[in-house]
Amino acid sequence: SQQGEEDPQALSIQEGENATMNCSYKTSINNLQWYRQNSGRGLVHLILIRSNEREKHSGRLRVTLDTSKKSSSLLITASRAADTASYFCATDARTYKYIFGTGTRLKVLA
Amino acid sequence: KAGVTQTPRYLIKTRGQQVTLSCSPISGHRSVSWYQQTPGQGLQFLFEYFSETQRNKGNFPGRFSGRQFSNSRSEMNVSTLELGDSALYLCASSSGGSYNEQFFGPGTRLTVL
Repeated sequence: SQQGEEDPQALSIQEGENATMNCSYKTSINNLQWYRQNSGRGLVHLILIRSNEREKHSGRLRVTLDTSKKSSSLLITASRAADTASYFCATDARTYKYIFGTGTRLKVLA
Repeated sequence: KAGVTQTPRYLIKTRGQQVTLSCSPISGHRSVSWYQQTPGQGLQFLFEYFSETQRNKGNFPGRFSGRQFSNSRSEMNVSTLELGDSALYLCASSSGGSYNEQFFGPGTRLTVL
């Protein structure tokens, strides 16, 4: 079964609005990573957050991690049409293999 | 710095054939991981190589194998192809430590007829 589950599965918002997606996982981790994928292409690395970190920012992205709840959230502020993509979280389960969640399909309407 | 490259980008094979996919990691990266992505199963981990040794393996049959060369380039082989092997195969490279980001290549789209 999947280590990570993203929620919601799909999200549709207007340009300029904020988008929040959540990821839950099952086992202890060293780190959690968020990726973006456009239309079945390769994955673009967005941000890595370590298990001892609670929040991290990168440009318009804000990631939080709550290890007690085994959950993470990705916030994209002031969304743009170019942010339309699928977003995945990946956790390492304290190994060198990453388990990906099911993904959130984000659509930003112009 | 050049990114992760994968060849070929597209491949069409028939059932029973075998296929070899190639991945060149970012210069200096010693870890290469392979993933299979399908609409039904999502992204699934195949295996990870570090310094020519398989360090982790996912739950795939023995028809899926890989190797890594001394220059960190990696190949993945699938023998006796089945229709269900049609997928996007992605490789990712990283430095190999516990807190290293993984950088993905564009993938190889394999279609099995």
